[in-house]
Formats: sequence, structure tokens, C-alpha cells
Amino acid sequence: AQKITQTQPGMFVQEKEAVTLDCTYDTSDPSYGLFWYKQPSSGEMIFLIYQGSYDQQNATEGRYSLNFQKARKSANLVISASQLGDSAMYFCAMREGRQGGSNYKLTFGKGTLLTVNP
Amino acid sequence: NAGVTQTPKFQVLKTGQSMTLQCAQDMNHNSMYWYRQDPGMGLRLIYYSASEGTTDKGEVPNGYNVSRLNKREFSLRLESAAPSQTSVYFCASRETGRLNSPLHFGNGTRLTVT
Repeated sequence: AQKITQTQPGMFVQEKEAVTLDCTYDTSDPSYGLFWYKQPSSGEMIFLIYQGSYDQQNATEGRYSLNFQKARKSANLVISASQLGDSAMYFCAMREGRQGGSNYKLTFGKGTLLTVNP
Repeated sequence: NAGVTQTPKFQVLKTGQSMTLQCAQDMNHNSMYWYRQDPGMGLRLIYYSASEGTTDKGEVPNGYNVSRLNKREFSLRLESAAPSQTSVYFCASRETGRLNSPLHFGNGTRLTVT
């Protein structure tokens, strides 16, 4: 079974509108974290935002926010006021394993390609 | 700040040839990782090293070996390249000590095996 599922291979949004990119996860570890990365066409991986399983509030970083619904095991990325430069591939990733443990690693979803239209 | 540096950026190999992908980080991170990225597959973990002196297999280790040469350097070796290893390879590192510390990625190596 996939640990991270991103069901939207591609999404389109108009400039200045908000968009939600879906991510669901599967884990039995009570301590876990969700990361979102952006990969523009130039290929580099850019860290956007993190949500820990014990965090009381949804994470926000500028125009990025996480809609974290623990009971539904979803951690959707919300981008507000989309810009042309937001066009990129977006990956959700899950951290399992405890700090200092040898099994601390990230498992990635397959990604969602976001296109922002002018 | 160089961050994570990967060499080479591009490589073409013939089936059966060997090569080593180099990765170095200057952030004093303990943990380092090798991922491969294929279209429609996301990033899949090949090997990782939680700390200097240790290495562990990830999701897709077959056909690869790694060496954690020192704290800074983590290399990935293909002993006998196969067309199925055509991919983009990313090295990453992270700071241990915080659960929320993200992976810092290099710019990738695009490998083609003919």
C-alpha cells in the first residue's frame, strides 16, 4: 500500500486564485510529520512547509498553509493568491521514525503538476 | 553557501559500465540520502546514512552501493549500469536534532544508460 497518495496528477488554477493540492497518508506510527516540496521546471527541490503529528495548529508559511486533518489522514497544501511562478511539481512527503533513530527517512508521493494560468 | 553539491550534472553510460555519483554537503549534517526520480513515480529512496559510519537500504537499493566516506561525503555507485537505472538522482542531507528539519537537496544528476 502506498504510504503517500497524491490523487491529482495535474491541476490548473487562475492567477490570484487559491488552490488546494491533496495529500493523504498511511502510517501506524503516532509520531510522524508531513513535508511539502516544490520542484520547478529547473529541477531543484524546494522545501515549503512542515506539519508534525502532534502540532496543535495547522502550519502556515507565507502564502502556503496546510489543511491538516489527522482523523482523515490528510495534509492538503493550500496556496493562496497563486502566482505564475507557482507553476511547478509539488510533492508531499512523510517522515516516520524518531529523531536520532536509524530509520528516520522521508517517503514521497508521486506529485501534482500545478499550472497557473494568467 | 554551497549546500549540497552533486557531481556530475549529466552522464551517459553504456549498459554494463560503472560509475560513481558524488555528493558533498557543507552544512555539518549527520544524515544523508540518495533518491531517484522517475516520471510518474515521485522520488524513491535508494540508500541513506543516518550518521557517519552507517548506511541502510531504502526502497529501491538493488543495483547500487553507497559509501559514507566521511561526514561530508556520501557517494552512490552503479557497478554495472542497466537501462532501468536511467533516472535523475538526488542527494540530500538533513540536520539531526529536530524532527521538523527538512531534507536539503542537491540539484540532481541526470543519468542515461543506453
